[in-house]
Amino acid sequence: DAGVTQSPTHLIKTRGQQVTLRCSPKSGHDTVSWYQQALGQGPQFIFQYYEEEERQRGNFPDRFSGHQFPNYSSELNVNALLLGDSALYLCASSTEGWGYEQYFGPGTRLTVT
Amino acid sequence: GENVEQHPSTLSVQEGDSAVIKCTYSDSASNYFPWYKQELGKRPQLIIDIRSNVGEKKDQRIAVTLNKTAKHFSLHITETQPEDSAVYFCAASEGAQKLVFGQGTRLTINP
Repeated sequence: DAGVTQSPTHLIKTRGQQVTLRCSPKSGHDTVSWYQQALGQGPQFIFQYYEEEERQRGNFPDRFSGHQFPNYSSELNVNALLLGDSALYLCASSTEGWGYEQYFGPGTRLTVT
Repeated sequence: GENVEQHPSTLSVQEGDSAVIKCTYSDSASNYFPWYKQELGKRPQLIIDIRSNVGEKKDQRIAVTLNKTAKHFSLHITETQPEDSAVYFCAASEGAQKLVFGQGTRLTINP
């Protein structure tokens, strides 16, 4: 049973560029949440996707957008990158049918220079 | 919105001793409280969780307690081992919605 997977593992971008991160949920899960984890801090909620729609959103600007596909995989897009966007981006999958547990992927380390 | 406070930020204990990490939350609508362990460079790993209809839950050397009235919950690790060294995060949510995390506790087990 494959767990949550994310790609790429690492990414280096320049200020002003755009980036797309990808996530495949754990088998049987239908909900994907994205979190940003700055160095030395706890993960911060960006948004959650369920049934291909954004169900809930955290306190992040519109530069952060996402998408969920019919196979439940998801993308996180960040436009006009800022130095402060450098962080570990974590995807977590869950399904309400099995409870509230959210399982995290290994993350994508984004560095903006 | 929900706010989760976690203490202490660092904790050092001797191998074999117990470790306790405490969290408080602000939103009475929160009903799900997971704990995650994150080793350096790795993903947060769910180690135990508790729902608001339960006061205590145990899994081998790990236990979590919840006091809904006081809005606080705690992680207890007994008979600590070197492999317990990591950063631990508490979190709170209302059902399957967004997790709000504490600031983390860096636990070091001294041999």
